[in-house]
Amino acid sequence: AQSVTQPDIHITVSEGASLELRCNYSYGATPYLFWYVQSPGQGLQLLLKYFSGDTLVQGIKGFEAEFKRSQSSFNLRKPSVHWSDAAEYFCAVGAHSGGGADGLTFGKGTHLIIQP
Amino acid sequence: GAVVSQHPSWVICKSGTSVKIECRSLDFQATTMFWYRQFPKQSLMLMATSNEGSKATYEQGVEKDKFLINHASLTLSTLTVTSAHPEDSSFYICSAAGPSSYNEQFFGPGTRLTVL
Repeated sequence: AQSVTQPDIHITVSEGASLELRCNYSYGATPYLFWYVQSPGQGLQLLLKYFSGDTLVQGIKGFEAEFKRSQSSFNLRKPSVHWSDAAEYFCAVGAHSGGGADGLTFGKGTHLIIQP
Repeated sequence: GAVVSQHPSWVICKSGTSVKIECRSLDFQATTMFWYRQFPKQSLMLMATSNEGSKATYEQGVEKDKFLINHASLTLSTLTVTSAHPEDSSFYICSAAGPSSYNEQFFGPGTRLTVL
């Protein structure tokens, strides 16, 4: 069974500082990996995804993530955070079976707090 | 990106009544739709997967007789919570995937259910 671990429940970062959110996964094959952001009362917004190819993927809002197979990790980074980045961030892993898409397995989320 | 809507966005009902939640893909044909449940300040848990014209596949521990899922068309799936009880109060989120989406799912904004 696949699983996702986000070891940091809360992270506090000063505005303008760099950010790294950790994500480790467990999956038997090459996973499809995703990062989503959820603001209070809002739905999930896809930040970026990895399917194959270049292990460094660029997303929206200045985010990037790097897939490291040897470490089973897919950490999210941003060089300079903005107050509007305060939200809940979810890492997710999925697969694509021959019959169609599969449900995603989500990590427990990391709550990002931005200090002025 | 593709747009998925949910209706209603929030609903309050009395214990013992049934509630229907609709999930629509507005600008693409969703061959597969998923229903997730999110408790306050927690992660999303996959409840069931539905393919158009087929019976839904439920995750272990999810009562199929309580959470009725219908995926009658390529743009609409419904979740009916039957004989709702306070413990069913939660945030229900649907997502939709197309036939060649590499498991990229587009999420609806969610429905907040409160059972009194």
